[in-house]
Amino acid sequence: GEDVEQSLFLSVREGDSSVINCTYTDSSSTYLYWYKQEPGAGLQLLTYIFSNMDMKQDQRLTVLLNKKDKHLSLRIADTQTGDSAIYFCAEKYAGNTPLVFGKGTRLSVIA
Amino acid sequence: SAVISQKPSRDICQRGTSLTIQCQVDSQVTMMFWYRQQPGQSLTLIATANQGSEATYESGFVIDKFPISRPNLTFSTLTVSNMSPEDSSIYLCSGSQTGDGTGELFFGEGSRLTVL
Repeated sequence: GEDVEQSLFLSVREGDSSVINCTYTDSSSTYLYWYKQEPGAGLQLLTYIFSNMDMKQDQRLTVLLNKKDKHLSLRIADTQTGDSAIYFCAEKYAGNTPLVFGKGTRLSVIA
Repeated sequence: SAVISQKPSRDICQRGTSLTIQCQVDSQVTMMFWYRQQPGQSLTLIATANQGSEATYESGFVIDKFPISRPNLTFSTLTVSNMSPEDSSIYLCSGSQTGDGTGELFFGEGSRLTVL
């Protein structure tokens, strides 16, 4: 079955790097996503990576995918207080299939 | 990208009543989904809203409890019927513009329901 696991909490100091980890169980996953949810808001797509990629970088965000270990990580460089939010990892297959989400990691940034 | 608007954004409801949530997209989307996010939990898919036909429900969700309509490619509704406090949750509408499921899944800001 499909299962996406994340640690629930992460606390970092402003200016440090944050690394949020995610593991998934289904090797058929084709796309893996990171979403951000700020308090009282909907989900905002941060980035996604195809399963045939190992890394994707977008400004302060770096996504690493280890397909062998089914491990996905999101690194946020120079973390700011505005990065405080819940970060959801999600996976999906190709075709008209919905996303499967992890429980989310609550990132707290300490000034 | 697409912008998804949901109404109401929040509501307080009495046990036994029903509430319909509306989801409006500013452009045509191929796929629309309804998710539930219970307090402190992840998103759980309720159903896929199919245009012009019955929605496809996930295990644990039934049409009698969560009737869904999707009359066109930009609009859908979710009704939470005969509500109980266990239905207190955030309900999120989402859509994808690609038919093969690639690319971004857009989300509305959610409808926060509290059932007393």
